[in-house]
Amino acid sequence: NAGVMQNPRHLVRRRGQEARLRCSPMKGHSHVYWYRQLPEEGLKFMVYLQKENIIDESGMPKERFSAEFPKEGPSILRIQQVVRGDSAAYFCASSLSVGQSYEQYFGPGTRLTVT
Amino acid sequence: DAKTTQPPSMDCAEGRAANLPCNHSTISGNEYVYWYRQIHSQGPQYIIHGLKNNETNEMASLIITEDRKSSTLILPHATLRDTAVYYCIASYQKVTFGTGTKLQVIP
Repeated sequence: NAGVMQNPRHLVRRRGQEARLRCSPMKGHSHVYWYRQLPEEGLKFMVYLQKENIIDESGMPKERFSAEFPKEGPSILRIQQVVRGDSAAYFCASSLSVGQSYEQYFGPGTRLTVT
Repeated sequence: DAKTTQPPSMDCAEGRAANLPCNHSTISGNEYVYWYRQIHSQGPQYIIHGLKNNETNEMASLIITEDRKSSTLILPHATLRDTAVYYCIASYQKVTFGTGTKLQVIP
């Protein structure tokens, strides 16, 4: 069973460009989470999605960031008009709810560098 | 999510058991205790979780006190590859990572 897949693994964008990060959850998982990790800092929750629904976006910056998890295909984290401060590792995780437990399985991350 | 408190760092000799404590005194009845670890800059790795009872899997054991206000993650025979930051999380759905415990396994 393949794990959580993220692509690209490394992404370089110039200031003002758009960044699209993709996440394919584990087979059968319908919950997806996005986290950001700035250099030398901890992981920060961004958004929690189920198929076609945003459940919790309390960690998403109000502007320039959006996320979706369509009925078909991967989840997408989109950053418009990137700035240097967006340079970070972005991790995606997926879970399969079993009763009330939601253990999450993480992908390898996408390292975004804004020049 | 309930707030958790962990020591910032610990050392453990290779081959010995590593016991990582966590306090979660404000945990609510439907919140599970989860443990994850992050090795260097890799994606976090799920280790184990539990609600009330002690749990064991191929990676570790989780001991939860009867009042559920604290727990201990046990790595029975630590190896150098277990050097990582270990996160204890008390949560229902969304996982909020704190600063964790940096475990250094020493040869």
